[in-house]
Amino acid sequence: DAGVIQSPRHEVTEMGQEVTLRCKPISGHNSLFWYRQTMMRGLELLIYFNNNVPIDDSGMPEDRFSAKMPNASFSTLKIQPSEPRDSAVYFCASSLQSPYEQYFGPGTRLTVT
Amino acid sequence: ELKVEQNPLFLSMQEGKNYTIYCNYSTTSDRLYWYRQDPGKSLESLFVLLSNGAVKQEGRLMASLDTKARLSTLHITAAVHDLSATYFCAVDAGTASKLTFGTGTRLQVTL
Repeated sequence: DAGVIQSPRHEVTEMGQEVTLRCKPISGHNSLFWYRQTMMRGLELLIYFNNNVPIDDSGMPEDRFSAKMPNASFSTLKIQPSEPRDSAVYFCASSLQSPYEQYFGPGTRLTVT
Repeated sequence: ELKVEQNPLFLSMQEGKNYTIYCNYSTTSDRLYWYRQDPGKSLESLFVLLSNGAVKQEGRLMASLDTKARLSTLHITAAVHDLSATYFCAVDAGTASKLTFGTGTRLQVTL
């Protein structure tokens, strides 16, 4: 299995621009998670989906952030408009219903200037 | 709200020494996970502990779970430089697959 796939791996953009991060979970996994990691705040759960349905988006920092999962093999995290404080590494992870072990993708390093 | 605390946050140890990382959590759970993260890399699953008294070992690392004490330990035996990384514990929050992560323990093994 190829594991969780994320793209792009690096993204540099200017403040105010729209950013879209993409994730392909492991085939057969039915839960998908978006995390953000920074030195200051550590690893934060932004949103997660079960069977393509958003379950908990309480970690989404602002309305500028949105996430979709149109099918079992694809999810996006969009930031519009982006701000410098959004600079972080964004991870996508997926898991089976049980034992809920999460497998992480390689991450997208986002820099907003 | 489930809180997960790790200590120490930073650990510098010499090669060949033994040490333990502690993971405490605030509410009942019988599922706990340990992950490793190398600098600039993603998180890699190390252990899955699914019941009270569970013990898992891989090489120089051994993890255990005491659900009554709400405590998990990650024991390092005869540390080697290759174990230098940040180690996270994560606890099942009881909400269908959501995990709450600890702050991480940065381990530095010196020669």
